[in-house]
Amino acid sequence: DTGVSQNPRHKITKRGQNVTFRCDPISEHNRLYWYRQTLGQGPEFLTYFQNEAQLEKSRLLSDRFSAERPKGSFSTLEIQRTEQGDSAMYLCATEPLRGRNTEAFFGQGTRLTVV
Amino acid sequence: AQSVTQLGSHVSVSEGALVLLRCNYSSSVPPYLFWYVQYPNQGLQLLLKYTSAATLVKGINGFEAEFKKSETSFHLTKPSAHMSDAAEYFCAVSGIEPGGSYIPTFGRGTSLIVHP
Repeated sequence: DTGVSQNPRHKITKRGQNVTFRCDPISEHNRLYWYRQTLGQGPEFLTYFQNEAQLEKSRLLSDRFSAERPKGSFSTLEIQRTEQGDSAMYLCATEPLRGRNTEAFFGQGTRLTVV
Repeated sequence: AQSVTQLGSHVSVSEGALVLLRCNYSSSVPPYLFWYVQYPNQGLQLLLKYTSAATLVKGINGFEAEFKKSETSFHLTKPSAHMSDAAEYFCAVSGIEPGGSYIPTFGRGTSLIVHP
């Protein structure tokens, strides 16, 4: 148990519907990352928060993707008007801000299937 | 910008044999390097990390990796493979991106297959 909690674990949705995923970080972890992982590939960076500030969002895959972290604690990732190509595992990772001698702790991911 | 290249999408070994998973990195600043393991339908778990201290890093489950700056490599090894080592392994690099952020960047992964 890494301590990063993601919900739901699985989501099946029809094409065109909106979906929202939630990530609850380890307590006091200031940095929070969202990644997408498709079959046979490594995690692909999407966006990054330091506390409530979204410091990097240029790599979100399209304007259908958005993320929030309103109070600097949990975060949500929303995909609007889902497409079949959005089917993937969405991973959240968090790490503390202090120093550089840290690593990202991952949740178990949310697997999205768009039918 | 930084990147990671993992050589070989699949590595197959016999139980008890040496495990060698290759990783080369590219970074414009001194990097921090990581190896993660992922079991099916799970998140990623840290095996070990290099953070500019000792170049030979020991991790969990008997794995270790050596940072070689001259070769820009950070290969993962284990002297004797166990069936439970079968999983997907990811090498990652973290360094300052333009704009000041630290964003872990992952390789495509190497699937380790262990034969009895």
